[in-house]
Amino acid sequence: ETGVTQSPTHLIKTRGQQVTLRCSSQSGHNTVSWYQQALGQGPQFIFQYYREEENGRGNFPPRFSGLQFPNYSSELNVNALELDDSALYLCASSQTSGRSHEQFFGPGTRLTVL
Amino acid sequence: GESVGLHLPTLSVQEGDNSIINCAYSNSASDYFIWYKQESGKGPQFIIDIRSNMDKRQGQRVTVLLNKTVKHLSLQIAATQPGDSAVYFCAETGFTGTASKLTFGTGTRLQVTL
Repeated sequence: ETGVTQSPTHLIKTRGQQVTLRCSSQSGHNTVSWYQQALGQGPQFIFQYYREEENGRGNFPPRFSGLQFPNYSSELNVNALELDDSALYLCASSQTSGRSHEQFFGPGTRLTVL
Repeated sequence: GESVGLHLPTLSVQEGDNSIINCAYSNSASDYFIWYKQESGKGPQFIIDIRSNMDKRQGQRVTVLLNKTVKHLSLQIAATQPGDSAVYFCAETGFTGTASKLTFGTGTRLQVTL
């Protein structure tokens, strides 16, 4: 186990709703990255938070947003859910923002949008 | 654009045989290349990484080879065991903004037969 925890483990929402996913980083890690993994595909980078600010974003629309708290835990918020948002959402933490090769992943939250 | 891909979607090997999983990458500027193992219902688990200035790195039962001339990465698993059955992803590091991120391929499913 990596020490990265995510909640909830599973979630079912309907189209148009909003969802919040949570992540607690591994002890000593100040950087959290979020990835979306569609079924049968590799994870795709959504964004990264360092020192409570977003410092990089992948090709995801603004309805994907996040927060990082002083204890380095993080939230991913998705507004106006679409069917294609159904995926496994992974959180990964690292000691600092420049060390993605040392990211440790949590178990993920499985989001189903109906 | 950046992409990391795999040649074979599924690899079936007999228990005790050696496994070789291949990956092609496109971003020559990546500092690190990483192999992850993902079991059903779990997040990606770090296996081994290799820095871009190296050709080979060995771990416990695993070896990663990097051929920068043809932009090819491989993972060799010695004496494959049933517990090695999973989806394997290669990933490369890169930057978006000041965020160090991972770009993943689509994965290879390794099936170990008895």
